[in-house]
Amino acid sequence: AQSVTQLDSQVPVFEEAPVELRCNYSSSVSVYLFWYVQYPNQGLQLLLKYLSGSTLVKGINGFEAEFNKSQTSFHLRKPSVHISDTAEYFCAVSGQGNEKLTFGTGTRLTIIP
Amino acid sequence: EPEVTQTPSHQVTQMGQEVILRCVPISNHLYFYWYRQILGQKVEFLVSFYNNEISEKSEIFDDQFSVERPDGSNFTLKIRSTKLEDSAMYFCASSEPSGKKLFFGSGTQLSVL
Repeated sequence: AQSVTQLDSQVPVFEEAPVELRCNYSSSVSVYLFWYVQYPNQGLQLLLKYLSGSTLVKGINGFEAEFNKSQTSFHLRKPSVHISDTAEYFCAVSGQGNEKLTFGTGTRLTIIP
Repeated sequence: EPEVTQTPSHQVTQMGQEVILRCVPISNHLYFYWYRQILGQKVEFLVSFYNNEISEKSEIFDDQFSVERPDGSNFTLKIRSTKLEDSAMYFCASSEPSGKKLFFGSGTQLSVL
Protein backbone atom coordinates (compact mmCIF):
# COMPACT_ATOMS: atom_id res chain seq x y z
CA ALA A 1 0.00 0.00 0.00
CA GLN A 2 1.04 3.57 -0.58
CA SER A 3 0.52 6.77 1.36
CA VAL A 4 1.12 10.44 0.68
CA THR A 5 1.87 13.26 3.08
CA GLN A 6 1.39 16.90 2.25
CA LEU A 7 2.64 18.72 5.29
CA ASP A 8 1.36 22.17 4.36
CA SER A 9 -2.40 22.52 4.37
CA GLN A 10 -2.21 26.17 3.29
CA VAL A 11 0.52 28.16 1.56
CA PRO A 12 0.14 31.92 1.01
CA VAL A 13 2.53 33.40 -1.54
CA PHE A 14 2.93 36.87 -3.00
CA GLU A 15 2.26 37.23 -6.69
CA GLU A 16 5.37 36.68 -8.84
CA ALA A 17 7.19 34.99 -5.96
CA PRO A 18 8.41 31.38 -6.21
CA VAL A 19 6.57 28.57 -4.50
CA GLU A 20 7.28 25.01 -3.43
CA LEU A 21 4.54 22.64 -2.33
CA ARG A 22 5.86 19.65 -0.47
CA CYS A 23 4.92 16.03 -0.97
CA ASN A 24 6.39 12.92 0.59
CA TYR A 25 5.27 9.41 -0.12
CA SER A 26 5.62 5.98 1.39
CA SER A 27 5.57 2.74 -0.54
CA SER A 28 7.07 -0.72 -0.44
CA VAL A 29 7.03 -0.94 -4.24
CA SER A 30 8.04 1.29 -7.13
CA VAL A 31 5.58 4.07 -7.72
CA TYR A 32 4.21 6.56 -10.14
CA LEU A 33 3.71 10.09 -8.80
CA PHE A 34 1.25 12.78 -9.78
CA TRP A 35 0.23 16.33 -8.98
CA TYR A 36 -3.36 17.35 -9.56
CA VAL A 37 -4.87 20.83 -9.29
CA GLN A 38 -8.43 21.66 -8.32
CA TYR A 39 -9.58 25.15 -9.17
CA PRO A 40 -12.59 26.50 -7.27
CA ASN A 41 -15.76 24.62 -8.17
CA GLN A 42 -13.99 22.44 -10.68
CA GLY A 43 -12.74 18.87 -10.94
CA LEU A 44 -9.24 17.54 -10.69
CA GLN A 45 -6.82 18.37 -13.48
CA LEU A 46 -3.51 16.63 -13.98
CA LEU A 47 -0.57 19.05 -13.66
CA LEU A 48 2.24 16.57 -14.19
CA LYS A 49 3.32 13.03 -13.55
CA TYR A 50 6.45 11.02 -12.98
CA LEU A 51 6.48 7.53 -14.47
CA SER A 52 10.15 6.91 -15.21
CA GLY A 53 13.22 8.55 -16.72
CA SER A 54 14.30 12.07 -15.85
CA THR A 55 13.57 12.93 -12.25
CA LEU A 56 12.70 16.52 -13.15
CA VAL A 57 9.23 16.62 -14.63
CA LYS A 58 7.69 19.64 -16.30
CA GLY A 59 3.96 20.15 -16.37
CA ILE A 60 1.35 22.62 -17.45
CA ASN A 61 1.13 26.25 -16.36
CA GLY A 62 4.88 26.52 -15.65
CA PHE A 63 4.93 23.96 -12.83
CA GLU A 64 7.63 21.37 -12.37
CA ALA A 65 8.38 18.67 -9.82
CA GLU A 66 11.42 16.65 -8.91
CA PHE A 67 11.30 13.00 -7.93
CA ASN A 68 13.78 12.25 -5.17
CA LYS A 69 13.83 8.55 -4.42
CA SER A 70 16.25 8.74 -1.48
CA GLN A 71 14.07 11.33 0.25
CA THR A 72 10.82 9.80 -1.03
CA SER A 73 9.70 13.24 -2.11
CA PHE A 74 8.00 14.78 -5.12
CA HIS A 75 7.86 18.50 -4.39
CA LEU A 76 6.05 20.83 -6.77
CA ARG A 77 7.63 24.15 -7.73
CA LYS A 78 6.92 27.22 -9.78
CA PRO A 79 9.42 30.09 -10.13
CA SER A 80 6.83 32.86 -10.34
CA VAL A 81 3.17 32.45 -9.37
CA HIS A 82 0.16 34.24 -10.75
CA ILE A 83 -3.21 35.04 -9.26
CA SER A 84 -4.72 32.34 -11.47
CA ASP A 85 -2.65 29.70 -9.64
CA THR A 86 -4.94 30.03 -6.63
CA ALA A 87 -6.24 26.49 -6.17
CA GLU A 88 -5.97 23.29 -4.15
CA TYR A 89 -3.05 21.08 -5.12
CA PHE A 90 -3.06 17.34 -4.54
CA CYS A 91 -0.12 14.99 -4.66
CA ALA A 92 -0.99 11.40 -5.53
CA VAL A 93 0.78 8.08 -5.85
CA SER A 94 0.02 4.76 -7.47
CA GLY A 95 1.88 1.50 -7.56
CA GLN A 96 3.28 0.51 -10.92
CA GLY A 97 0.76 -1.79 -12.53
CA ASN A 98 -2.01 -0.57 -10.22
CA GLU A 99 -3.92 2.42 -11.49
CA LYS A 100 -5.60 3.28 -8.18
CA LEU A 101 -4.47 6.67 -6.93
CA THR A 102 -3.85 7.47 -3.30
CA PHE A 103 -4.13 11.19 -2.65
CA GLY A 104 -2.62 13.47 -0.08
CA THR A 105 -4.77 15.83 1.95
CA GLY A 106 -4.06 18.73 -0.38
CA THR A 107 -2.39 22.11 -0.12
CA ARG A 108 -4.38 25.27 -0.64
CA LEU A 109 -2.26 27.78 -2.52
CA THR A 110 -3.34 31.37 -2.03
CA ILE A 111 -1.75 34.10 -4.10
CA ILE A 112 -1.48 37.50 -2.46
CA PRO A 113 -1.61 40.44 -4.90
CA GLU B 1 -9.51 17.91 -25.24
CA PRO B 2 -12.00 15.12 -24.49
CA GLU B 3 -13.48 15.21 -21.02
CA VAL B 4 -15.34 13.15 -18.48
CA THR B 5 -18.80 14.52 -17.81
CA GLN B 6 -20.80 14.05 -14.64
CA THR B 7 -24.44 14.73 -13.93
CA PRO B 8 -25.96 16.23 -11.92
CA SER B 9 -23.48 18.78 -10.60
CA HIS B 10 -25.46 19.00 -7.35
CA GLN B 11 -27.77 16.44 -5.79
CA VAL B 12 -29.75 16.93 -2.62
CA THR B 13 -31.48 13.94 -1.09
CA GLN B 14 -33.13 12.81 2.10
CA MET B 15 -31.43 10.28 4.32
CA GLY B 16 -32.47 6.75 3.38
CA GLN B 17 -33.20 7.60 -0.25
CA GLU B 18 -31.45 6.02 -3.19
CA VAL B 19 -29.30 8.17 -5.46
CA ILE B 20 -27.66 7.48 -8.78
CA LEU B 21 -24.70 9.54 -9.88
CA ARG B 22 -23.99 9.50 -13.56
CA CYS B 23 -20.79 9.74 -15.53
CA VAL B 24 -19.86 9.60 -19.17
CA PRO B 25 -16.21 8.57 -19.42
CA ILE B 26 -13.99 9.39 -22.38
CA SER B 27 -15.00 7.14 -25.24
CA ASN B 28 -11.89 5.02 -25.82
CA HIS B 29 -11.04 4.62 -22.14
CA LEU B 30 -11.15 1.19 -20.56
CA TYR B 31 -10.73 1.85 -16.83
CA PHE B 32 -13.32 3.68 -14.77
CA TYR B 33 -13.23 4.94 -11.22
CA TRP B 34 -15.21 6.65 -8.52
CA TYR B 35 -13.55 8.77 -5.88
CA ARG B 36 -15.09 10.98 -3.22
CA GLN B 37 -14.01 14.00 -1.24
CA ILE B 38 -15.72 14.83 2.01
CA LEU B 39 -15.54 18.55 2.70
CA GLY B 40 -12.12 19.48 4.01
CA GLN B 41 -10.70 15.99 3.63
CA LYS B 42 -8.60 14.14 1.10
CA VAL B 43 -9.83 12.60 -2.12
CA GLU B 44 -10.55 8.93 -1.39
CA PHE B 45 -10.69 6.00 -3.76
CA LEU B 46 -13.99 4.14 -3.84
CA VAL B 47 -13.91 1.68 -6.70
CA SER B 48 -12.33 0.82 -10.02
CA PHE B 49 -14.07 -0.94 -12.89
CA TYR B 50 -12.61 -2.74 -15.87
CA ASN B 51 -13.98 -5.18 -18.39
CA ASN B 52 -17.48 -4.89 -16.95
CA GLU B 53 -16.56 -5.80 -13.43
CA ILE B 54 -15.16 -4.27 -10.29
CA SER B 55 -11.38 -4.63 -10.25
CA GLU B 56 -10.79 -3.08 -6.85
CA LYS B 57 -12.81 -1.43 -4.11
CA SER B 58 -12.04 0.31 -0.86
CA GLU B 59 -13.46 -0.28 2.62
CA ILE B 60 -15.79 2.66 2.02
CA PHE B 61 -17.45 0.83 -0.86
CA ASP B 62 -19.77 -1.35 1.19
CA ASP B 63 -23.01 -3.10 0.24
CA GLN B 64 -24.82 0.22 0.01
CA PHE B 65 -22.76 1.12 -3.05
CA SER B 66 -22.88 -0.36 -6.52
CA VAL B 67 -21.55 0.57 -9.93
CA GLU B 68 -22.82 -0.22 -13.35
CA ARG B 69 -22.02 0.40 -16.96
CA PRO B 70 -25.52 0.00 -18.34
CA ASP B 71 -24.63 0.81 -21.92
CA GLY B 72 -21.53 1.64 -23.93
CA SER B 73 -21.20 5.16 -22.63
CA ASN B 74 -22.50 5.65 -19.08
CA PHE B 75 -20.90 4.65 -15.80
CA THR B 76 -23.07 5.02 -12.71
CA LEU B 77 -22.62 4.96 -8.96
CA LYS B 78 -25.67 4.00 -6.92
CA ILE B 79 -26.06 4.51 -3.22
CA ARG B 80 -29.00 2.43 -2.07
CA SER B 81 -29.89 4.08 1.22
CA THR B 82 -28.02 7.31 1.76
CA LYS B 83 -26.61 8.32 5.13
CA LEU B 84 -25.62 11.75 6.35
CA GLU B 85 -21.98 10.77 6.12
CA ASP B 86 -22.34 10.08 2.40
CA SER B 87 -22.43 13.83 1.83
CA ALA B 88 -19.38 14.55 -0.31
CA MET B 89 -18.14 15.51 -3.73
CA TYR B 90 -18.08 12.41 -5.91
CA PHE B 91 -15.62 12.31 -8.78
CA CYS B 92 -15.74 9.97 -11.71
CA ALA B 93 -12.54 9.27 -13.61
CA SER B 94 -11.48 7.22 -16.58
CA SER B 95 -8.11 6.28 -17.95
CA GLU B 96 -6.74 5.39 -21.33
CA PRO B 97 -5.71 1.83 -22.12
CA SER B 98 -2.20 2.37 -20.74
CA GLY B 99 -3.83 3.35 -17.45
CA LYS B 100 -1.19 5.92 -16.62
CA LYS B 101 -3.30 9.06 -16.71
CA LEU B 102 -6.65 9.53 -15.06
CA PHE B 103 -9.07 12.11 -16.40
CA PHE B 104 -11.48 13.39 -13.78
CA GLY B 105 -14.93 14.83 -14.17
CA SER B 106 -15.94 18.03 -12.42
CA GLY B 107 -17.77 16.12 -9.72
CA THR B 108 -21.24 15.74 -8.25
CA GLN B 109 -21.81 17.43 -4.92
CA LEU B 110 -24.10 15.13 -2.93
CA SER B 111 -25.85 16.57 0.10
CA VAL B 112 -27.77 14.16 2.33
CA LEU B 113 -30.22 15.87 4.66
